[in-house]
Amino acid sequence: NAGVMQNPRHLVRRRGQEARLRCSPMKGHSHVYWYRQLPEEGLKFMVYLQKENIIDESGMPKERFSAEFPKEGPSILRIQQVVRGDSAAYFCASSPPGGTGELFFGEGSRLTVL
Amino acid sequence: QQQVKQSPQSLIVQKGGISIINCAYENTAFDYFPWYQQFPGKGPALLIAIRPDVSEKKEGRFTISFNKSAKQFSLHIMDSQPGDSATYFCAATFRRGFQKLVFGTGTRLLVSP
Repeated sequence: NAGVMQNPRHLVRRRGQEARLRCSPMKGHSHVYWYRQLPEEGLKFMVYLQKENIIDESGMPKERFSAEFPKEGPSILRIQQVVRGDSAAYFCASSPPGGTGELFFGEGSRLTVL
Repeated sequence: QQQVKQSPQSLIVQKGGISIINCAYENTAFDYFPWYQQFPGKGPALLIAIRPDVSEKKEGRFTISFNKSAKQFSLHIMDSQPGDSATYFCAATFRRGFQKLVFGTGTRLLVSP
């Protein structure tokens, strides 16, 4: 019974490159959330998706960031033209449909922008 | 209005002692208050949570105390153990929208042997 799977665990990009972070929710979960954790800070909500739908993206930066959760395959958080300020840990979480609301977090993807 | 303020930033407690972490919120519409535990290199894991209709919830050595009028809640870890050494985050959200957790800035707890 695998938990939330994120990959890659560590990603290094140079300024201007693209970063793609993938998240497979727990089995049976259809809701995916992305949170960002900057160094020495708490997690900040970015986006909430269900299969093929973005439900709430109020925490996403207006430019360069996008997220999707296709019918088949993992959810993807895409960061275009990365800058040093994008260096952070990106956590994906999932929850069951109509469940208690508990979020189950993955181990995170740590992005370093050189 | 969406902030959750957490203190202290770091805490050192001797084995067997009581660890206390405090949080304060501003938005009175919040109605679900979870605590998460995070070990280095891992994702946060739900530890315990409370709703504002109760003033205290206890699970094993972990207790949440909730003061609705003061808009404060705290985590108490009784008989703290070295294995409890981790970063603890309080959070708040709306039951209708669990996904949008507002996290505190975290408390790094070190329990010395």
